[in-house]
Amino acid sequence: GNSVTQMEGPVTLSEEAFLTINCTYTATGYPSLFWYVQYPGEGLQLLLKATKADDKGSNKGFEATYRKETTSFHLEKGSVQVSDSAVYFCALSDPTGANSKLTFGKGITLSVRP
Amino acid sequence: KAGVTQTPRYLIKTRGQQVTLSCSPISGHRSVSWYQQTPGQGLQFLFEYFSETQRNKGNFPGRFSGRQFSNSRSEMNVSTLELGDSALYLCASSWDTFLEQYFGPGTRLTVT
Repeated sequence: GNSVTQMEGPVTLSEEAFLTINCTYTATGYPSLFWYVQYPGEGLQLLLKATKADDKGSNKGFEATYRKETTSFHLEKGSVQVSDSAVYFCALSDPTGANSKLTFGKGITLSVRP
Repeated sequence: KAGVTQTPRYLIKTRGQQVTLSCSPISGHRSVSWYQQTPGQGLQFLFEYFSETQRNKGNFPGRFSGRQFSNSRSEMNVSTLELGDSALYLCASSWDTFLEQYFGPGTRLTVT
């Protein structure tokens, strides 16, 4: 079946540090890939997406590139801020397109200290 | 455009009771999906409704059910509640498959 593996957390960084959160996936076919972010006490917000190989999704300084050859979708940001502290989830869509189900990784908690 | 809304935001129920949660999708969205979020299991897919039909179902017992109305609003029902049903229940809507889903704030269910 489809699955998403995220690196173990939590991650603690100082403000302005470089961020990389690893995400790899297993899927039969060609899913769309997403990064969602969850702030304390809230639902999930879409951070960025990529729908085909070599696509780069970007938003709010975050970037991720859909790498089919390594089945990866790593999240990066050049300079994190305290306000980026949240839980980050990597997810993939059903590759068949038959439904809207998302498969999520376990999530990773990012804490950014001033 | 209004986002996805879920009611109620918080619920406390007793074991053995039943509960109904409501979700109003973004206007124009035809697909509504439900997810259960717990610290141990993470985010797990419950089911999806599209144009009033269940299009997909996750691996949950039959105590979990749902429906969608003609205006795309959706409800999920959990009967005979167990302690393990305590979770954040998230609803998400999208226009169709392969497209991003937009999540509501969730309903926090506590079973005592």
